[in-house]
Amino acid sequence: NAGVTQTPKFQVLKTGQSMTLQCAQDMNHEYMSWYRQDPGMGLRLIHYSVGAGITDQGEVPNGYNVSRSTTEDFPLRLLSAAPSQTSVYFCASSYTLAGARGELFFGEGSRLTVL
Amino acid sequence: GDSVTQMEGPVTLSEEAFLTINCTYTATGYPSLFWYVQYPGEGLQLLLKATKADDKGSNKGFEATYRKETTSFHLEKGSVQVSDSAVYFCALTLLDDKIIFGKGTRLHILP
Repeated sequence: NAGVTQTPKFQVLKTGQSMTLQCAQDMNHEYMSWYRQDPGMGLRLIHYSVGAGITDQGEVPNGYNVSRSTTEDFPLRLLSAAPSQTSVYFCASSYTLAGARGELFFGEGSRLTVL
Repeated sequence: GDSVTQMEGPVTLSEEAFLTINCTYTATGYPSLFWYVQYPGEGLQLLLKATKADDKGSNKGFEATYRKETTSFHLEKGSVQVSDSAVYFCALTLLDDKIIFGKGTRLHILP
């Protein structure tokens, strides 16, 4: 049972570098999302997708891009890394958010440091 | 707007103490309510949920009751263990594409 798989688990970047955080799920979930978690700030939604080919912005989308070409994958791209993007990033997926089947499944997180 | 407010931590208790973590919400419509738990170094995982008023969610000795009249979903456990040390998040969902989390409450259990 793989669930939600995020790679890499740790990454150090220099300011201005670009990179992609990978997220894959094997549960055939339509909904996928990316959060960042900073001390004292809780979880903040970056981008989300309700199905292949559909993406939308969350609370803090600036500096990040996403795409959803398949149901399984939802990569997060940092275009030009900044120290303010130092954080722990979580990918999460769900069959549906609401009602009796509403549950988000989270990956283990990717810790990113931007120098 | 829609929101979730939970008590700020950290909360420090001794083992076998009674736990309450307060959570209140503001929402238009009829939300589903959730508690998620995050153990050190891990992602969040669902602890329990309730989808309509007066429902009680329960798991691993934790309970929470959906109180529409007080717009609350307080988390309780009768006797906490050291292994319950974690961060707890209250959350609500309203539609298929919207979930709102509280800021989280860190719980420390002392042996």
